[in-house]
Amino acid sequence: SQQGEEDPQALSIQEGENATMNCSYKTSINNLQWYRQNSGRGLVHLILIRSNEREKHSGRLRVTLDTSKKSSSLLITASRAADTASYFCATNKGGSYIPTFGRGTSLIVHP
Amino acid sequence: ETGVTQSPTHLIKTRGQQVTLRCSSQSGHNTVSWYQQALGQGPQFIFQYYREEENGRGNFPPRFSGLQFPNYSSELNVNALELDDSALYLCASSLAGFGNEQFFGPGTRLTVL
Repeated sequence: SQQGEEDPQALSIQEGENATMNCSYKTSINNLQWYRQNSGRGLVHLILIRSNEREKHSGRLRVTLDTSKKSSSLLITASRAADTASYFCATNKGGSYIPTFGRGTSLIVHP
Repeated sequence: ETGVTQSPTHLIKTRGQQVTLRCSSQSGHNTVSWYQQALGQGPQFIFQYYREEENGRGNFPPRFSGLQFPNYSSELNVNALELDDSALYLCASSLAGFGNEQFFGPGTRLTVL
């Protein structure tokens, strides 16, 4: 079963626009991670946010975590065509090291 | 590019056969995890190996088995292949410890006919 669920399933934007993806989960977590996957290849780790953190930044990426709503968002600012990929959230439930992935958001950035 | 490599890149097998997939972990990493990713889905955790011992297992039957070697490389073996085993198989290496960043290999695409 999927612990994290990304929303929307697919997102299509123009280069330069911002892209926001959301992740909801069901049980308490220790941390939440966002990954990127290009076209059926391996995943690339983007950001890890711990349950006691509310916001983290990395370059053009901003991740927020709201544990009261059991949700997280990933914002990509000033998107580029190279950002076209699938984005997954993965959660580590309390007491578990096993990350559980959602189904992902497919982002297409048009040049 | 991470330092994690997987072989082969692609593989075609028939139902009932057995397959072995290989993974070399990133230098310094002693933990390897294997995932199955069906088309259009997120990765599903199969199992994790730490210092040559299975350290946790997802909801996969016993015909999915693994090994980790002293150099921390790893194998995933699947017996009695079924059509639903067709997927991208990903391995990820990491340092031991809770919630550490995982570095993924490019995956092996397995097709079962």
